[in-house]
Amino acid sequence: TQLLEQSPQFLSIQEGENLTVYCNSSSVFSSLQWYRQEPGEGPVLLVTVVTGGEVKKLKRLTFQFGDARKDSSLHITAAQPGDTGLYLCAGSFSSNTGKLIFGQGTTLQVKP
Amino acid sequence: NAGVTQTPKFRVLKTGQSMTLLCAQDMNHEYMYWYRQDPGMGLRLIHYSVGEGTTAKGEVPDGYNVSRLKKQNFLLGLESAAPSQTSVYFCASSYSSGSPLHFGNGTRLTVT
Repeated sequence: TQLLEQSPQFLSIQEGENLTVYCNSSSVFSSLQWYRQEPGEGPVLLVTVVTGGEVKKLKRLTFQFGDARKDSSLHITAAQPGDTGLYLCAGSFSSNTGKLIFGQGTTLQVKP
Repeated sequence: NAGVTQTPKFRVLKTGQSMTLLCAQDMNHEYMYWYRQDPGMGLRLIHYSVGEGTTAKGEVPDGYNVSRLKKQNFLLGLESAAPSQTSVYFCASSYSSGSPLHFGNGTRLTVT
């Protein structure tokens, strides 16, 4: 069973602080996706990373894929209350089936 | 532009009752998935389909059945509901293997 560990599970910070969420596996990812989910809605894709060492930026969000493609991180700079939500990483371990394995999720609360 | 539509949004069942959740997508996607989301456990794959007329088991298939008679629809059935199936169920679709998932807004199911 390919497990995907996400940490921390909960994060409560003040507006303006920085934070990092981690996603780790003992297996090599074919690709890794980050999603954000708001209450009462389904997850929405933020980014896909495919190449080891890849860094992608989405405004104040920076996504990094580990060189060995076994880990990834999401860094938010100067968090805003609008960043509040559930952040999920999802890894694809087999491109043949398209199955994604999700991490447990990180619930982020940004207080004004 | 509806995307992925799930019905119903809420449902309460008694133990032993049966029901079917309907998922419809209008993006002509080949792949469709059913996930369940429980606190602290992220999203777990129940069943998925790689095309019309095909289905396959995911991580947690026991107690569920699925059918994909038409490309745009993916049905999830519970033949004899149990309290352990109390959860939020998400349907998703994707264009191809490893491509981003498009999620519906979920069905909250309570089994008493």
